[in-house]
Amino acid sequence: DAKTTQPNSMESNEEEPVHLPCNHSTISGTDYIHWYRQLPSQGPEYVIHGLTSNVNNRMASLAIAEDRKSSTLILHRATLRDAAVYYCILWDFNKFYFGSGTKLNVKP
Amino acid sequence: DAGVIQSPRHEVTEMGQEVTLRCKPISGHDYLFWYRQTMMRGLELLIYFNNNVPIDDSGMPEDRFSAKMPNASFSTLKIQPSEPRDSAVYFCASSLVGRGSYNEQFFGPGTRLTVL
Repeated sequence: DAKTTQPNSMESNEEEPVHLPCNHSTISGTDYIHWYRQLPSQGPEYVIHGLTSNVNNRMASLAIAEDRKSSTLILHRATLRDAAVYYCILWDFNKFYFGSGTKLNVKP
Repeated sequence: DAGVIQSPRHEVTEMGQEVTLRCKPISGHDYLFWYRQTMMRGLELLIYFNNNVPIDDSGMPEDRFSAKMPNASFSTLKIQPSEPRDSAVYFCASSLVGRGSYNEQFFGPGTRLTVL
């Protein structure tokens, strides 16, 4: 099973950038890196994904290390609505393994 | 699109009773997933279907759990008999996956099950 390691929790101030790290040292060449987040009392929702190159979308940016053994989700300006549990997931075209995620607390 | 629909949203039952959770995936999606979330174990994949066919049920905890997908627009997860340790939030998700593509799963609001 592909595994990821994330800090249990992080804290950020509102309107400041947040960098959420993820280690995935056992990643294989065909695993896609996905990030999901789960807002309180809701189901998870897709944030971003990538394979080798850095990616940007309207929600966030994903920076992937050259050796692909780690990645960082970047929220450019955190808002109170971004307070959630963020999951880093490796997808091997089979199953998702959500892990424990990082609980992000955003302070006003 | 209404998104993934789950019912009921909350279920309280007594130990030994049968529980049926229902899910309507997003129209056109060909994958359907059932997850269970608890504080102790986090989010676990129970089973997933592709084109109504169960592909991997290795996450189903025991024979008391069963899942069906009789057609592309409906799936059930049944627990019989239920036990207090089955108390959890059960999520259904659906996706449209292509090879070489990403996997965006759309989750329903979940069913919070309490077994007394």
